[in-house]
Amino acid sequence: KNEVEQSPQNLTAQEGEFITINCSYSVGISALHWLQQHPGGGIVSLFMLSSGKKKHGRLIATINIQEKHSSLHITASHPRDSAVYICAVTPYMDSNYQLIWGAGTKLIIKP
Amino acid sequence: DAGVTQSPTHLIKTRGQQVTLRCSPKSGHDTVSWYQQALGQGPQFIFQYYEEEERQRGNFPDRFSGHQFPNYSSELNVNALLLGDSALYLCASSRVEGSYEQYFGPGTRLTVT
Repeated sequence: KNEVEQSPQNLTAQEGEFITINCSYSVGISALHWLQQHPGGGIVSLFMLSSGKKKHGRLIATINIQEKHSSLHITASHPRDSAVYICAVTPYMDSNYQLIWGAGTKLIIKP
Repeated sequence: DAGVTQSPTHLIKTRGQQVTLRCSPKSGHDTVSWYQQALGQGPQFIFQYYEEEERQRGNFPDRFSGHQFPNYSSELNVNALLLGDSALYLCASSRVEGSYEQYFGPGTRLTVT
């Protein structure tokens, strides 16, 4: 079982729909990251969370530390939101400095 | 305030050659991590540099080496290139103290022919 699991793997929706992508993890963490990658492109950091909720424009990220679960929401989705969304965690281990990555969720928003 | 920058953007090399990729971290950041992302795959951790030393290394052969300079910028060197080294190479910077947030550069697309 992967230490970071995302669902769904693939998501296709119509423009304007409310989108939710979920991330569950099994390790203790210092932080959780939501990242975006467009086809053929680099990775953009969207959010870094250690508790609660953050909002940036139409994007909202929440985390529940007790349940080891995070969600990324997109309101009023737009075709330009089409990308792979990746959840990654910074594990709570002094000797481990690398991120543990989820497999990503491929989102397609149709006009 | 410039974010993380990487150069070059794209690179084409031949098998057996050597390549150097460069990364400048976000202002105020002192730690640089390198990742390899093959097409259709998730990023794989190569190594991380802090205080000009390699702090942790992923499962990559010695052909992959790096360096960090006093200004915190970093280089990734790959010797004896193989076709399988074709990938997007991502650099991420962070700050040891206070925040676990990593900022990613746009990546360098390396094609080995």
